Amino acid sequence: ETGVTQTPRHLVMGMTNKKSLKCEQHLGHNAMYWYKQSAKKPLELMFVYNFKEQTENNSVPSRFSPECPNSSHLFLHLHTLQPEDSALYLCASSRRDNPEAFFGQGTRLTVV
Amino acid sequence: QKEVEQDPGPLSVPEGAIVSLNCTYSNSAFQYFMWYRQYSRKGPELLMYTYSSGNKEDGRFTAQVDKSSKYISLFIRDSQPSDSATYLCALEQGAQKLVFGQGTRLTINP
Repeated sequence: ETGVTQTPRHLVMGMTNKKSLKCEQHLGHNAMYWYKQSAKKPLELMFVYNFKEQTENNSVPSRFSPECPNSSHLFLHLHTLQPEDSALYLCASSRRDNPEAFFGQGTRLTVV
Repeated sequence: QKEVEQDPGPLSVPEGAIVSLNCTYSNSAFQYFMWYRQYSRKGPELLMYTYSSGNKEDGRFTAQVDKSSKYISLFIRDSQPSDSATYLCALEQGAQKLVFGQGTRLTINP
């Protein structure tokens, strides 16, 4: 148990589907992040939220839509994805003033 | 040129060996240097975190930062089969943006 919980662990979706990934942190942190991990590529930062406000969008396509209703919960809404979006999506959290990020187990997404 | 370069390996060593993992970087603005360990089908877990040049030790692990050469290392002493994982370096220059290396896949053979 890392303190950051992601659901579901695995997801298969068609290109016309809409689905959501959920992340919850129990560490009292005030910053949350979405990262994408593709095979043979470094982790890529997607979004950063501080105190529920989005402070970073790393040129992510609009078919990925994040939502942060409070400092403990983060969602990633997915729609009309492409097969190349198949990857491990990782949520992380940290204190706003501390670069140490703690990661969840990830959601393995396959787009068919 | 990538901001952070890390040899993806794979690296395979016998149990008990000293392992050296390295990253180089190009942006001198990076201030924080981290090493993460990622087991198969798991998320990355933070191993060590350092701010300045020099060494930091934690048990069998030593992190080394040389800002003048833009070079960071992680040494594992008395390596164990349980150390088999992918090791990721991560650098941060502020604004909460971690830039990761590609990761080195390490196998410790009993």
